[in-house]
Amino acid sequence: AQSVTQLDSQVPVFEEAPVELRCNYSSSVSVYLFWYVQYPNQGLQLLLKYLSGSTLVKGINGFEAEFNKSQTSFHLRKPSVHISDTAEYFCAVILTGFQKLVFGTGTRLLVSP
Amino acid sequence: EPEVTQTPSHQVTQMGQEVILRCVPISNHLYFYWYRQILGQKVEFLVSFYNNEISEKSEIFDDQFSVERPDGSNFTLKIRSTKLEDSAMYFCASSGLAGDTDTQYFGPGTRLTVL
Repeated sequence: AQSVTQLDSQVPVFEEAPVELRCNYSSSVSVYLFWYVQYPNQGLQLLLKYLSGSTLVKGINGFEAEFNKSQTSFHLRKPSVHISDTAEYFCAVILTGFQKLVFGTGTRLLVSP
Repeated sequence: EPEVTQTPSHQVTQMGQEVILRCVPISNHLYFYWYRQILGQKVEFLVSFYNNEISEKSEIFDDQFSVERPDGSNFTLKIRSTKLEDSAMYFCASSGLAGDTDTQYFGPGTRLTVL
């Protein structure tokens, strides 16, 4: 069965600094990969996704992620964060041909001035 | 931009009572899902629904849970006899536009509190 690991439960960073949120997955078959963001007291919003093609995908709000098949990783990056990026970020995978999204435990990004 | 909506935003119930959580998926989507997130834990898959039947379910989705699409727009999750451990945020999601069938779009969630 596939699983998702987000090693960092919390990442504090100063405004305008770069950030990387790590995500590793395990699966013996091909997967689709997603990052979702959850702002305080809100639902899950799709940030970006990798289905096929270019391994570097760009999403909303200036975020991007790179799919690395050999390292089974899908790390999320932003070159310069804003206070408004403070939220919980979830990495998720789905086996191709199936419907069940498997989520990581989430990483709380805390941006301070 | 079309979005998934859920009602109510917060439901408080007594243990043993039945609750129905409601969702309106994105129009023209074909696949519907329920997930839950217990406070402080990861988001967990409950069930997927396609063509008026359950297509996949998790071990969590036991006999006390059921789903239904009673009309062309609503998708419901019923918990027959709630337990304290059912307290969680429940998210509805939908997917299925041509060319984007694998991307699930989530609603804002219903916070269920069982007393």
